[in-house]
Amino acid sequence: DADVTQTPRNRITKTGKRIMLECSQTKGHDRMYWYRQDPGLGLRLIYYSFDVKDINKGEISDGYSVSRQAQAKFSLSLESAIPNQTALYFCATSDSGLSYEQYFGPGTRLTVT
Amino acid sequence: GENVEQHPSTLSVQEGDSAVIKCTYSDSASNYFPWYKQELGKRPQLIIDIRSNVGEKKDQRIAVTLNKTAKHFSLHITETQPEDSAVYFCAANERGSNYKLTFGKGTLLTVNP
Repeated sequence: DADVTQTPRNRITKTGKRIMLECSQTKGHDRMYWYRQDPGLGLRLIYYSFDVKDINKGEISDGYSVSRQAQAKFSLSLESAIPNQTALYFCATSDSGLSYEQYFGPGTRLTVT
Repeated sequence: GENVEQHPSTLSVQEGDSAVIKCTYSDSASNYFPWYKQELGKRPQLIIDIRSNVGEKKDQRIAVTLNKTAKHFSLHITETQPEDSAVYFCAANERGSNYKLTFGKGTLLTVNP
């Protein structure tokens, strides 16, 4: 089945370290997103991309960067991790057609100590 | 930008009872309102959505109603079952776009057997 996958699923890192979270999809969708989930705060958009040449900041992009290496791959980087970036990170995809549905990956739980 | 408020933050019901979760939005251009269900440790998944050209949509035990004048929409679950226990998120699309969603903060629904 076509799916959205994320690696790693869990990661513990130290303050100041650089870390990359990766997302891949086999759905053939052109749009990809990175969200952050914190308890009681819902899902907040970090970055989104329409294609490899079109990347846009979301609601909370400070401290994050992204790379769209191919239509199927979208990576999120924390250049210098800090403890308040401890959260659950989700990648999502959607199609540019009539369906507005977003399909989420399984999530990456990141802990910054 | 869009602001989506969701209430209540927690809801506990007895099996067989109904559950109602309410959301308000601020952007009058929003025209797509999805509801996502996130079971414990799982990814959010779309359970139902509604567009602004209809006032109500039903799918078996779940229904969504929309009041565009008042800018609010609600999720109704009838005959609740323990497997309905999850976090539910409402969302609205920003400026009528087919890509940018703003999510509510979520409602933890517990269905007691």
